[in-house]
Amino acid sequence: GENVEQHPSTLSVQEGDSAVIKCTYSDSASNYFPWYKQELGKRPQLIIDIRSNVGEKKDQRIAVTLNKTAKHFSLHITETQPEDSAVYFCAFYSSASKIIFGSGTRLSIRP
Amino acid sequence: EAGVVQSPRYKIIEKKQPVAFWCNPISGHNTLYWYRQNLGQGPELLIRYENEEAVDDSQLPKDRFSAERLKGVDSTLKIQPAELGDSAVYLCASSLGLAGSTYNEQFFGPGTRLTVL
Repeated sequence: GENVEQHPSTLSVQEGDSAVIKCTYSDSASNYFPWYKQELGKRPQLIIDIRSNVGEKKDQRIAVTLNKTAKHFSLHITETQPEDSAVYFCAFYSSASKIIFGSGTRLSIRP
Repeated sequence: EAGVVQSPRYKIIEKKQPVAFWCNPISGHNTLYWYRQNLGQGPELLIRYENEEAVDDSQLPKDRFSAERLKGVDSTLKIQPAELGDSAVYLCASSLGLAGSTYNEQFFGPGTRLTVL
């Protein structure tokens, strides 16, 4: 079935260091891959997305890479700050135009 | 501009009782989604509406769950009767709508946290 595997489930990094979250998806027809950030008790919010016609997209300290051949995409956060602490979800739109979310990565930034 | 509005924010009920959640999407958004998010997991789609038509309800447990979006704007999700395993956060989201290969950002509401005792 359609699914996306997300790793790691928890991640703790020193403030200022980089964090990387990886996802592997099942549907080779997928063309759109958003990433959502969810702070404790709050709603998921889109932070960056990538479409299949590009391999990398960057927005300030956040970047996403996509390898369609391997069906991998990753979120990179550089120069991490305390406000980056949250749960991050990768997602993809399946060929049926349905969004499938990963299981989430709880990112903690150590001061 | 107001975001997606949901009510109530919290609901505690006993099992076998009915419960209903309400969602008002962002003005002009044709597509509306209901998700269920269990603790420590990502949102799972229950149903998707394009205007007033339910175009994807394959994940909706139809024996106890129902939803409606009569005028293509507000939507209601109902559970009757509720079971212990229904405890979760129910999220509503909306987007401008899918047009061809264009993917539109989904905006989420604050969710309703349901606890079934």
